[in-house]
Amino acid sequence: QSVLTQPPSASGSPGQRVTISCSGSSSNIGSNTVNWYQQLPGTAPKLLIYTNNQRPSGVPDRFSGSKSGTSASLAISGLQSEDEADYYCSAWDGSLDAWVFGGGTKLTVL
Amino acid sequence: QVQLQESGPGLVKPSQTLSLTCTVSGGSIRSGYHYWSWIRQPAGKGLEWIGRIDTSGSTKYNSSLKSRVSISVDTSKNQFSLELSFVTAADTAVYYCASYTTSWQSFDFWGQGTLVTVSS
Repeated sequence: QSVLTQPPSASGSPGQRVTISCSGSSSNIGSNTVNWYQQLPGTAPKLLIYTNNQRPSGVPDRFSGSKSGTSASLAISGLQSEDEADYYCSAWDGSLDAWVFGGGTKLTVL
Repeated sequence: QVQLQESGPGLVKPSQTLSLTCTVSGGSIRSGYHYWSWIRQPAGKGLEWIGRIDTSGSTKYNSSLKSRVSISVDTSKNQFSLELSFVTAADTAVYYCASYTTSWQSFDFWGQGTLVTVSS
């Protein structure tokens, strides 16, 4: 059971907008920044969003992040087939004194 | 750009010690802006942070593994290493090394991962 809660799956058609949620608590999301990672099939995770809503160089602006209270969201607009991947949220947990991750959301592009 | 590469045995017997090394290239492991971490992922499952080390040798471990984990750094070789003792089948996973950047508070670069299977 992961400390951060994500829906196991999400889907959308090309060109649509999809949102993936991440729910935590006061000890993690509620008091620390959230990062999102994209894991394409058979590859290592890649940093997608850092400090809630910042994109590293090279990440398309179709990807955006937000945080409110003890929850965070990743939005993907203009969905493309290459966006089909697993997405993980992550935050520092001050109570556990550890980095924690969500269980991952498998995004399917229909 | 920093690159990381894991190396080590792909098969470890139960009750023995898993040992992996991560070689950092394209940057110095002495960087004051990075910590060096290990993260694992059992097949079909999510990510689990194992622990991290900074270049002063200060470590922090996941409490669920703390009694069995040791992370060390060799700055002369630009490498850091993981040891996990008394392994069981539950430790079978893809093990990733990753750099944590203090400025972004995130894992910015990852190795490709190495599968370690615990089996007799």
